[in-house]
Formats: sequence, structure tokens, C-alpha cells
Amino acid sequence: QQQVKQSPQSLIVQKGGISIINCAYENTAFDYFPWYQQFPGKGPALLIAIRPDVSEKKEGRFTISFNKSAKQFSLHIMDSQPGDSATYFCAASGSGSARQLTFGSGTQLTVLP
Amino acid sequence: GAGVSQSPSNKVTEKGKDVELRCDPISGHTALYWYRQSLGQGLEFLIYFQGNSAPDKSGLPSDRFSAERTGGSVSTLTIQRTQQEDSAVYLCASRPTGLGGYTFGSGTRLTVV
Repeated sequence: QQQVKQSPQSLIVQKGGISIINCAYENTAFDYFPWYQQFPGKGPALLIAIRPDVSEKKEGRFTISFNKSAKQFSLHIMDSQPGDSATYFCAASGSGSARQLTFGSGTQLTVLP
Repeated sequence: GAGVSQSPSNKVTEKGKDVELRCDPISGHTALYWYRQSLGQGLEFLIYFQGNSAPDKSGLPSDRFSAERTGGSVSTLTIQRTQQEDSAVYLCASRPTGLGGYTFGSGTRLTVV
């Protein structure tokens, strides 16, 4: 059972545009929602993360919007650049010592120059 | 070391052979995770180690998969009698005690022919 659903599977954006990736989760025990960025041949790298006590978190050009009642969260990349072209994964974990992350299926973002 | 180190970076093996994949976590990180990433898919949790506690093996897909972590540091993931469906990128991640995020290695790309 997939507990974190991510869309779209792929996304093409013009340079300077806004990239938006959406995720929905099912497990109400989740309380930590990170986004990871992965370049080919590399492992995923933490980009930005949010906890459910806030509705939005911004770091530079990257913003997470969180809707607890809808059990949805999204990543917005403002002023998208060709260097942002990568695969993005949302994830979620619950409290407890394990903090095992459950990942979405990924979005391949291409930013055209 | 500065990051999570995995070896080998690539492994091609014949169906039915055993393979060992190695992970060197960041020094001082108490938690260590193994994930599997199949082509075009998200990350599938395999196993979790925390300090000297018994590992959480709930994600291992079959009894052909096993892992150990020696001295609370280096971990080895072993796949016995490899099958073609085992072909994937195997990612290791470590995390410090507390609420720190994961740091992933670059992975081992396993191809079973």
C-alpha cells in the first residue's frame, strides 16, 4: 500500500517559471515531511522539510505548502533554473526512534533554458 | 568521513550468485538505513539500525536479504542467490541521534544478469 502519493510523474518548465509538485499522504501519524532532490548517479539530498505545526516554510527559491486537513503538501520552486533539473521526492515519517521515511514515487523535473 | 560512502558503486553479477554491498556512515551517526530504488521508482525501505538495538528488518523483501552492522559503524547488505528482480540501486543513509535528516550515499547499482 503506497502511503505517499506524488504527482506529476514528470514536469517540464521554462526557465524562470514556477515548478509545483504535489504529495498526499494517508497516515495521520506522520509528522515530518521532507523533500529530497536527486541528480543522476547521486543519492537523494535533503532540500527542505516541514512539520505539521506550520502551513508554509520557505528557503530561498523553495517553498513547502502544507495542508494538514487535506493531508497534502507541495513543493514550489520559484524562478526555476536549468540547474534545478533533477528528480524530486517527497517523503513522510512519524515520531518514534525509527523515523523511517516513506517516499513518494518521484517527479522528474526538466527546466528548459 | 565527510559523507556516507558506499561500495562498490556498480556491481554486475550472475543470477544465483551472492553479493555484498558495503556502507560507511558518517562518523557519529547512530542510525543507519538501507533503501532500494528500482528504475523510475521511489525508495523502498529495507532495514534500519539504531545503535546497539535489534535492527528493524520489516522491509526486507525475502529471506535472501540480510544485513549487519559491525561496531555500530560499517554496515553490509547481503543478497543471496540473486535474482533479476533484485537489480536496482541500493542506497544507504545515516542520521544522527534526534531529529536530524538523513544523509544518503551515492548508492550501489546492482545488475543481475
